[in-house]
Amino acid sequence: EVQLVESGGGLVQPGGSLRLSCAASGFTFSSYEMNWVRQAPGKGLEWVSYISSSGSTIYYADSVKGRFTISRDNAKNSLYLQMNSLRAEDTAVYYCARESHFYGGDYFDYWGQGTLVTVSS
Amino acid sequence: DIQMTQSPSSLSASVGDRVTITCRASQSISSYLNWYQQKPGKAPKLLIYAASSLQSGVPSRFSGSGSGTDFTLTISSLQPEDFATYYCQQSYSTFDTFGQGTKLEIK
Repeated sequence: EVQLVESGGGLVQPGGSLRLSCAASGFTFSSYEMNWVRQAPGKGLEWVSYISSSGSTIYYADSVKGRFTISRDNAKNSLYLQMNSLRAEDTAVYYCARESHFYGGDYFDYWGQGTLVTVSS
Repeated sequence: DIQMTQSPSSLSASVGDRVTITCRASQSISSYLNWYQQKPGKAPKLLIYAASSLQSGVPSRFSGSGSGTDFTLTISSLQPEDFATYYCQQSYSTFDTFGQGTKLEIK
């Protein structure tokens, strides 16, 4: 059974840092691209970051570029999101999501349960 | 960035109703369109990918159609467990984007 379990969320002051983790199991983690998607309270879904299966290709949403860093450790079946210079508008539930492909497109077929990040003084 | 616009933003319907939700892209995205269902406090769940392909395990009352800029998600006969928020997502561009969501409520 595919499982994605996020951890590391919590309350942090503006300007602070937090590192999220996503532990994967039930599939060959090193073969899949991964993403972080967030959802502010009462709002819709926002894609945050992507990392290729090897970690060689990385993308970020403009809203987090220069502040967040995505990484992975295939030996540990784990995905990470280092979040620096946090702002109130980064407050959200953060989901990790596995990416699968069709033709030239992609979709997120498995999601974790999410971890809440609250940025407040 | 490609903008995705869903309509309506909210919808009231009854069990047994046929419901259609629309998603429009700001430019052509071929068939690179996915649909997700999200219930309160839960992670999104993939329903449809590639505009019309049903994800394994999803009931056949869900269907998707469209290509280019206009897409629809149809639920043929609403069940109590279908009341949720639905999101479309484009994967045509490097940066995936989601629609704002359609909340389906019980009438």
